[in-house]
Amino acid sequence: NAGVTQTPKFQVLKTGQSMTLQCAQDMNHEYMSWYRQDPGMGLRLIHYSVGAGITDQGEVPNGYNVSRSTTEDFPLRLLSAAPSQTSVYFCASRETGTGNEKLFFGSGTQLSVL
Amino acid sequence: DQQVKQNSPSLSVQEGRISILNCDYTNSMFDYFLWYKKYPAEGPTFLISISSIKDKNEDGRFTVFLNKSAKHLSLHIVPSQPGDSAVYFCAAIRASGTYKYIFGTGTRLKVLA
Repeated sequence: NAGVTQTPKFQVLKTGQSMTLQCAQDMNHEYMSWYRQDPGMGLRLIHYSVGAGITDQGEVPNGYNVSRSTTEDFPLRLLSAAPSQTSVYFCASRETGTGNEKLFFGSGTQLSVL
Repeated sequence: DQQVKQNSPSLSVQEGRISILNCDYTNSMFDYFLWYKKYPAEGPTFLISISSIKDKNEDGRFTVFLNKSAKHLSLHIVPSQPGDSAVYFCAAIRASGTYKYIFGTGTRLKVLA
């Protein structure tokens, strides 16, 4: 059971380039989300989804797009990367419904934008 | 507005002693709290949680205490082990709400052998 898988683990971009961070889970979780971790800022929610075809914004959504076409996958797109998007990105998933509040995280993608 | 705060960026404890990590929150609507542990270059892993209807939850060496009137929770690790050295995040959520987890900024725990 792989859990939550993120690719790539590391990425370096130039300002203005675009890329997609991949996230896949094999636990049949309806809820998936993206966080970024910055020094002194903790983990901040970017976007989340409660099921295929449903997405919503978190605390820091600007500069990022998401879509959810399948239960398993939740890619995060940077359309025009900026140095402020240099961060470590984590994907997380969970079952929906009360009593299932435990989030499962991937191992992260370290992104540098030059 | 930081709704979940971990005011101690770091903590050092001798092996075998108790580690106490603290977390404060401002939103009284939170009804579920979680603690996560994070090693370098890895994703956070779930440690322990507590519902707002309880004041204590225990799992082995880990105990979480919740004081709703003070809007404060703490994680106790007894006895502390060198392998516990990591960054600890507390998180809060409205269980019947929008699935928006709010995380604190983390406390780096170092357990000295």
